[in-house]
Amino acid sequence: GQQLNQSPQSMFIQEGEDVSMNCTSSSIFNTWLWYKQDPGEGPVLLIALYKAGELTSNGRLTAQFGITRKDSFLNISASIPSDVGIYFCAGQRYSGTSYGKLTFGQGTILTVHP
Amino acid sequence: NAGVTQTPKFQVLKTGQSMTLQCAQDMNHNSMYWYRQDPGMGLRLIYYSASEGTTDKGEVPNGYNVSRLNKREFSLRLESAAPSQTSVYFCAWAQGQNTEAFFGQGTRLTVV
Repeated sequence: GQQLNQSPQSMFIQEGEDVSMNCTSSSIFNTWLWYKQDPGEGPVLLIALYKAGELTSNGRLTAQFGITRKDSFLNISASIPSDVGIYFCAGQRYSGTSYGKLTFGQGTILTVHP
Repeated sequence: NAGVTQTPKFQVLKTGQSMTLQCAQDMNHNSMYWYRQDPGMGLRLIYYSASEGTTDKGEVPNGYNVSRLNKREFSLRLESAAPSQTSVYFCAWAQGQNTEAFFGQGTRLTVV
C-alpha cells in the first residue's frame, strides 16, 4: 500500500489565506517532489527537493525537505482561486531494492472560496 | 510535454479483451513509470523501470505486464481486461537520480 501519509485530505479556505500541507513516511527518501493536478490533466511538478533540510520557493509556494528525510511540507501563501486542485507529494528512492521507485501520497484537495 | 507521447487518450474495452498502452519519450530519460489513478486513491504505482531492460513491480502490479525494450519506450499491457481496471493511467519519466519526474496527459480506460 501507500508508504506516504499526506495530510490534510482536503482543505476549504478563503481567498487570501495561507495553506499548509505535509507528507510523512516511515522510510527515507532521496528526493521529495510536490505536484498539482487540475481536472482532466496529468500532475504538474511544482517544487523538487534534493537535500535534507532544503527549503525551496517557487513564487507563493514554499516547500521543505525534512532533516530526517522522512517528511516534507508545502506552504501556499495568499491563496487565489486558481490554486484550486489536488496537491500530491511524492518521494523518490535511489538506494537499496527500491532503486528509482517514485511513490505518491494520497493527495490534498484544495478548495478556495473567493 | 514536448518529446513525450502517451497513447491512446481514451479507450473502452470489453471484459477479457487485451490492449497495450504506449509511452514514448525522446529525451533520453532513464526512469519510466506507470501509475493508475482512481477517485480517493491517489496515484498508485503499477510498474516502474529504472533503466533500459529493467522493470520492477510497484504497489498494484496484478493484471498488468510491462515492457522496456529500449530507452525511449515503456509499454503497459492488460492481457485480459477486468472492470476493476477501469481507471486513468499515467506514464511518467525522469532523467534519473535527483531529477524531477514528469507526467503524460493520461489514458482514460473504461472496461465494460
